[in-house]
Amino acid sequence: QVQLQESGPGLVKPSQTLSLTCTVSGVSITNGDYYWSWIRQHPGKGLEWIGFIYYTDTTHYNPSLKSRVSISLDASRNHFFLNLSSVTAADTAVYYCARQDGFTFYSDFWGQGTLVTVSS
Amino acid sequence: EIVLTQSPGTLSLSPGERATLSCRASQSVASSFLAWYQQKPGQAPSLLLYGTSRRAAGIPDRFSGSGSGTDFTLTISRLEPEDFAVYFCQQYGSSPLFSFGPGTKVEIK
Repeated sequence: QVQLQESGPGLVKPSQTLSLTCTVSGVSITNGDYYWSWIRQHPGKGLEWIGFIYYTDTTHYNPSLKSRVSISLDASRNHFFLNLSSVTAADTAVYYCARQDGFTFYSDFWGQGTLVTVSS
Repeated sequence: EIVLTQSPGTLSLSPGERATLSCRASQSVASSFLAWYQQKPGQAPSLLLYGTSRRAAGIPDRFSGSGSGTDFTLTISRLEPEDFAVYFCQQYGSSPLFSFGPGTKVEIK
């Protein structure tokens, strides 16, 4: 059974880098049928796609975040990662990792989400 | 940049009633790349429909989708108590590569 689980600090100081890990089980992240995404949701708001990575290390990012975001993967550990630099209070959100179908790009499996608060 | 608009913002209905949710795009979206998600409080979104009308695994047939171009619809034929939630549409293909609508909340009347 496919499962994704986010982990990382729940509190990050302004101007620092937010770093999260997504641990994937039940499927290899080197499976070429899928992309691996990060999506966030501000409190009480809608969903914002951050970016995704393919097992070849190809990445695509939301242009609104591109200058601050980096997604990478560790195939040996079946993990992928999110780094978001120079955070502000506006980056406070629930962060989800998700599996994205490689052909029609829907997200069929999601992590439970992790709340990251940016505050001093 | 493609923008998805969902209406209504909130839909107040009773169990057993029919729900019709709209998702409108500022530019044409390929039908293959339009999906719908359901989100309940405190939970991650879960996939309902993809390719406009294809139900995800385990989704009951009271959920259906239709539309093309810039106008898409999610219909719940008879609301069950567990269907009261927020519904998001999502498109793939235009900058940003993925975007979501703001959501429609279906609440108990």
